[in-house]
Amino acid sequence: EVQLVESGGGLVQPGGSLRLSCAASAFTLSDFDVNWVRQAPGKGLEWVSHISSSSSGIYYADSVKGRFTISRDNAKNSLYLQMNSLRAEDTAVYYCATGNSYFYHMGVWGKGTTVTVSS
Amino acid sequence: VLTQSPGTLSLSPGERATLSCRASQSITSSYLAWYQQKPGQAPRLLIYGASSRAAGIPDRFSGSGSGSDFTLTISRLEPEDFAVYYCQQYGSSLWTFGQGTKVEI
Repeated sequence: EVQLVESGGGLVQPGGSLRLSCAASAFTLSDFDVNWVRQAPGKGLEWVSHISSSSSGIYYADSVKGRFTISRDNAKNSLYLQMNSLRAEDTAVYYCATGNSYFYHMGVWGKGTTVTVSS
Repeated sequence: VLTQSPGTLSLSPGERATLSCRASQSITSSYLAWYQQKPGQAPRLLIYGASSRAAGIPDRFSGSGSGSDFTLTISRLEPEDFAVYYCQQYGSSLWTFGQGTKVEI
């Protein structure tokens, strides 16, 4: 079954750091662009970051620019989101999702990993 | 900015649902998608390119529109269709979601 699996979420204090991972199974993640999307408790979806298949195109939402870094290791079929200087408002479920370089939609989604920023 | 309306749609199984997504400026139709999300689950892609159904999506779901006005129509609601629906657009290296429409029984 084609799927994405996120990991690395948890409880962190404000100002702290976390590194999320996204792994693919039953398909080659390096063939796809990938996005991170988050959802705060009881709220809607918010796009966070995008990385192209070759890592040549990297983009961030203004809300995380300068604090979050997206990267990928195609040899490990994996993707990462390094989150620094975390704030309470970063508390959310974080999803990774494959992107499409023609229509820019998000096709395959993981189940998400929960990040809680609290003292 | 994408604005979805209504915020909540109260309908019965078998009825037709019409969900609206309006962009603050004209967007490329190819870059408009719709997703369904049920409680505790990840979003699922329904429609991409404004009107193309994703793989495995029943034909009771259809998308239409152009410019700044887009619509998701569910022709006959099934019990499993009660969920939150989001539109999403791409432009200028940014991806944006609408705030969602909840379809409830």
